[in-house]
Amino acid sequence: NAGVMQNPRHLVRRRGQEARLRCSPMKGHSHVYWYRQLPEEGLKFMVYLQKENIIDESGMPKERFSAEFPKEGPSILRIQQVVRGDSAAYFCASSPQAGANTGELFFGEGSRLTVL
Amino acid sequence: GEDVEQSLFLSVREGDSSVINCTYTDSSSTYLYWYKQEPGAGLQLLTYIFSNMDMKQDQRLTVLLNKKDKHLSLRIADTQTGDSAIYFCAERENTGFQKLVFGTGTRLLVSP
Repeated sequence: NAGVMQNPRHLVRRRGQEARLRCSPMKGHSHVYWYRQLPEEGLKFMVYLQKENIIDESGMPKERFSAEFPKEGPSILRIQQVVRGDSAAYFCASSPQAGANTGELFFGEGSRLTVL
Repeated sequence: GEDVEQSLFLSVREGDSSVINCTYTDSSSTYLYWYKQEPGAGLQLLTYIFSNMDMKQDQRLTVLLNKKDKHLSLRIADTQTGDSAIYFCAERENTGFQKLVFGTGTRLLVSP
């Protein structure tokens, strides 16, 4: 039973380029979360999506960042015109339903973005 | 907004007990969690506690919750070198979905 799959694991971009990070949730999970971890910091919530819907994007920067979770295929976190401050580890997590009893999130191994 | 705080480092000897502390601010949190992150890896859920509990024990792990002081702790008995990692405390916002607020993490170093 595959866990949450993220790719790429490592991504290097120059300032001004675009970064696309992909996340396939665990089988049977229809809820996807994206978190960002800056160096030496904890994880910060970015966005929560269900299939074809953004439910809460209160943690997303207003510009350059977008996320989607289409009916078919993985969830995508897209960062346009990257800047050095976007360098971080981006973690995707999934859950089977919105208010699952334990509230456990299943995390992927993260995508580490480095902006030169 | 909600805030979760942890001490940054803890160093113990193998075989000793480790106690990692956490304070949180959202009194309406229903669940509180401890996650473990090994180098270069994602987060792994270690244990959780529901807000109406004071204590939860799971093998070598003991979680204590003091709701009055909004204080959570994780005790690891007989700490092993394999326990060296970053430990994150997290609270679940009262939103109806799994929106978690994480602390900055405590880096546990276990020496032989």
